[in-house]
Amino acid sequence: QSALTQPASVSGSPGQSITISCTGTSSDVGGYSYVSWFQQHPGKVPKLMMYEVSNRPSGVSNRFSGSKSGNTASLTISGLQAEDEADYYCSSYTSFRTRVFGTGTKVTVL
Amino acid sequence: QVQLVQSGPQMKRPGASVRVSCKASGYTFTIYGISWVRQAPGQGLEWMGWISTSSGDTNYAQNLRGRVTMTTDTSTSTAYVELRSLRADDTAVYYCTREGSPPADYWGQGTLVTVSS
Repeated sequence: QSALTQPASVSGSPGQSITISCTGTSSDVGGYSYVSWFQQHPGKVPKLMMYEVSNRPSGVSNRFSGSKSGNTASLTISGLQAEDEADYYCSSYTSFRTRVFGTGTKVTVL
Repeated sequence: QVQLVQSGPQMKRPGASVRVSCKASGYTFTIYGISWVRQAPGQGLEWMGWISTSSGDTNYAQNLRGRVTMTTDTSTSTAYVELRSLRADDTAVYYCTREGSPPADYWGQGTLVTVSS
């Protein structure tokens, strides 16, 4: 099972919006609405930011939103803030009844 | 409050085995599954597998099948992952996560396993 494809880095200025893509196949992202997104600050434990494509867990800012089209899922961060600078990983359920993570995206706030 | 507390760091020789524990508290253990995720130094997240805490059913990542075993002890609300025939590239931080809806909503603090001769 190959990792889902994410851009290595995305950057934006404070207040701007950025979108992180996560591309898989019809056997994972495209076949199920079980895409999650995680935020990880350096040296910290990953944190769930989005699940089932577009559902935000309790406590996660509504500046974060998720969507999916075909084999590509996306996480959008609006009103970018310094605290959003972190690594982001997508994850999807697969047809093998396993999960697979994305390659990870480093978000930089300029 | 929900907590997943993992065992401490371990150093192993190549070819050895390692077992990491994850003790859950603050919720009914058998209602949620447990997944294990690892992260090699400076690398991304890798899903290792999942275990149903109610039935003991497991599903492992294809690249680890034959070397990994996940178990639970419901009497102590503890999950375990054992990895055998360790190699240098098994050096990583190992995390347990609670699996339900939402998935992976709680994570253990991580356990560093170092494989070195």
